[in-house]
Amino acid sequence: EVQLVESGGGLVQPGGSLRLSCAASGFTFSTYSMNWVRQAPGKGLEWVSYISSSSSTIYYADSVKGRFTISRDNAKNSLYLQMNSLRAEDTAVYYCAREQVIAAPGTRGDWFDPWGQGTLVTVSS
Amino acid sequence: DIQMTQSPSSLSASVGDRVTITCRASQSISKYLNWYQQKPGKAPKVLIYAASSLQSGVPSRFSGSGSGTDFTLTINSLQPEDFATYYCQQSYNTPYTFGQGTKVEIK
Repeated sequence: EVQLVESGGGLVQPGGSLRLSCAASGFTFSTYSMNWVRQAPGKGLEWVSYISSSSSTIYYADSVKGRFTISRDNAKNSLYLQMNSLRAEDTAVYYCAREQVIAAPGTRGDWFDPWGQGTLVTVSS
Repeated sequence: DIQMTQSPSSLSASVGDRVTITCRASQSISKYLNWYQQKPGKAPKVLIYAASSLQSGVPSRFSGSGSGTDFTLTINSLQPEDFATYYCQQSYNTPYTFGQGTKVEIK
């Protein structure tokens, strides 16, 4: 079974740091790009960061650029998100998601599947 | 950044109804448009990818259409388990962006 399990969330004070992990199983992790997506309480979905299969390409949302660092360890089938200088507006459930890609004649696209169950990060004093 | 605008933000419908949700991109995204369903306390689940391709295991009452800037998710014969929030998402370029969501409630 393809599965993603996040961990590492919790309560942290403004300005603090936290490292999220996402453990992958049931598929060849090293061949897939991965993403972090977050959802503030009662709000919609916000993409946070992308990392390619070999870590050669990384992207961030402007809202986290310079504060968050995405990384992966293909030997450990794990994805990470190091979050520094945390703010109240970073409070959210953080999901890791595998990026699926199709490039067939007439059909091209990429989407997130599956998603982990999410881990809650609360930034508050 | 590409802005995604969904309408309506919420709707009330009855079991058996046909429901249509629209999503508009602020610029052309070809067919790089996905639809997700999210139930309370759960992670989103993909329904449609590449604008009109049905994800494996998703019931055929779900369908997607559109290209360029205008897209539609249709649910034929709404079932009790379909009451949820639906999001569109563009994967044309980063930052990947989502619509604000459409909450489908029981009438």
